[in-house]
Amino acid sequence: DAGVTQSPTHLIKTRGQQVTLRCSPKSGHDTVSWYQQALGQGPQFIFQYYEEEERQRGNFPDRFSGHQFPNYSSELNVNALLLGDSALYLCASSLEGLFGNTIYFGEGSWLTVV
Amino acid sequence: KQEVTQIPAALSVPEGENLVLNCSFTDSAIYNLQWFRQDPGKGLTSLLLIQSSQREQTSGRLNASLDKSSGRSTLYIAASQPGDSATYLCAVIGTDSWGKLQFGAGTQVVVTP
Repeated sequence: DAGVTQSPTHLIKTRGQQVTLRCSPKSGHDTVSWYQQALGQGPQFIFQYYEEEERQRGNFPDRFSGHQFPNYSSELNVNALLLGDSALYLCASSLEGLFGNTIYFGEGSWLTVV
Repeated sequence: KQEVTQIPAALSVPEGENLVLNCSFTDSAIYNLQWFRQDPGKGLTSLLLIQSSQREQTSGRLNASLDKSSGRSTLYIAASQPGDSATYLCAVIGTDSWGKLQFGAGTQVVVTP
């Protein structure tokens, strides 16, 4: 049973560029959430997707957008990259409605903006 | 607004000692609390999940307690080993948050041989 998979694992971008990160949820999970983790801090919630719709969003600007596909996989897009966007981006998957269940995370995508 | 705090930020113990990690949260309206482990540069691995109606959960050398009314959870790791060296994060899901995790900043643990 594959867990949550993310790609790419590492990438370097230049300020002003755009980036797309990808996530495949754990088998059987239909809800995907994205988190940003800066060095030395806990992960911060970006947004959550369910049934291909953004269901809730954290305090992130519109430069951060996402998408969920019919197979539940998801993409995170960041436009007009800033140096401060350098972080570990984590994808988490869960099953809708089962808030009592464990949430599973992928290994993350390390983004460096130079 | 929910605030999650973990104290201390860093901890170093000799091998064999028991570890005690603390987590506090300001809003007791939670579905559950989850403890995670994070190795350097890696993703999060779930250790224990405690439902809001539970007082504790155990898995091997790990035991986590939850006192929802006082907004506290404690993770105990018995007989620590060098392989336990990692950052430990706690996170809560609020009853109004649709499965969104609210994290503390973590406690970085070093177990010396």
